[in-house]
Amino acid sequence: GENVEQHPSTLSVQEGDSAVIKCTYSDSASNYFPWYKQELGKRPQLIIDIRSNVGEKKDQRIAVTLNKTAKHFSLHITETQPEDSAVYFCAASKDSARQLTFGSGTQLTVLP
Amino acid sequence: DTGVSQDPRHKITKRGQNVTFRCDPISEHNRLYWYRQTLGQGPEFLTYFQNEAQLEKSRLLSDRFSAERPKGSFSTLEIQRTEQGDSAMYLCASSYRGTTLLSQSYNEQFFGPGTRLTVL
Repeated sequence: GENVEQHPSTLSVQEGDSAVIKCTYSDSASNYFPWYKQELGKRPQLIIDIRSNVGEKKDQRIAVTLNKTAKHFSLHITETQPEDSAVYFCAASKDSARQLTFGSGTQLTVLP
Repeated sequence: DTGVSQDPRHKITKRGQNVTFRCDPISEHNRLYWYRQTLGQGPEFLTYFQNEAQLEKSRLLSDRFSAERPKGSFSTLEIQRTEQGDSAMYLCASSYRGTTLLSQSYNEQFFGPGTRLTVL
């Protein structure tokens, strides 16, 4: 089955700096890669996703890049703010309507 | 609140007891998923439904676990003879499997708040 590795497990950045979280996946048939943000005690919420027919996608301060050949994808957050502090999970799926395989998460802390 | 809801939010039980959780998806969503999340880990897939049909089950779903979605709306997850290793957050998610007018599928999974199970 699919295996998703995520790193780093923790990341601290100064407010205003950029943060990058990286994930690799094992199943070349995977074609849908969402990123979820989970604040303490809250439900995971989708922040951005990318499909395998696209190499990059941006939404304001957030961007995701995908390298299908290398089977890795990354989340980039620019101009970080304290409210960006949370756990971020990457995931992969063969079809966005099927089950997601999640990475182990990255605790992002944005220091004021 | 029109999002995914779960009940109860917290459940404490003794080892060996049976527990049942309920998930109410977003009303127009035809797919419903169950995941389990332990501390410091990402959610792990358990099972999912398309309407009332259970389409896939994870190996994590032992014989003690059963899920139903009898009318294609709400779903229940039952754990029989609970063990301490069952202690976790049980998350439900829902999505719409289909196409938009632009012929692009829109299948984002929306998560509920979870049911935190503690087995003593």
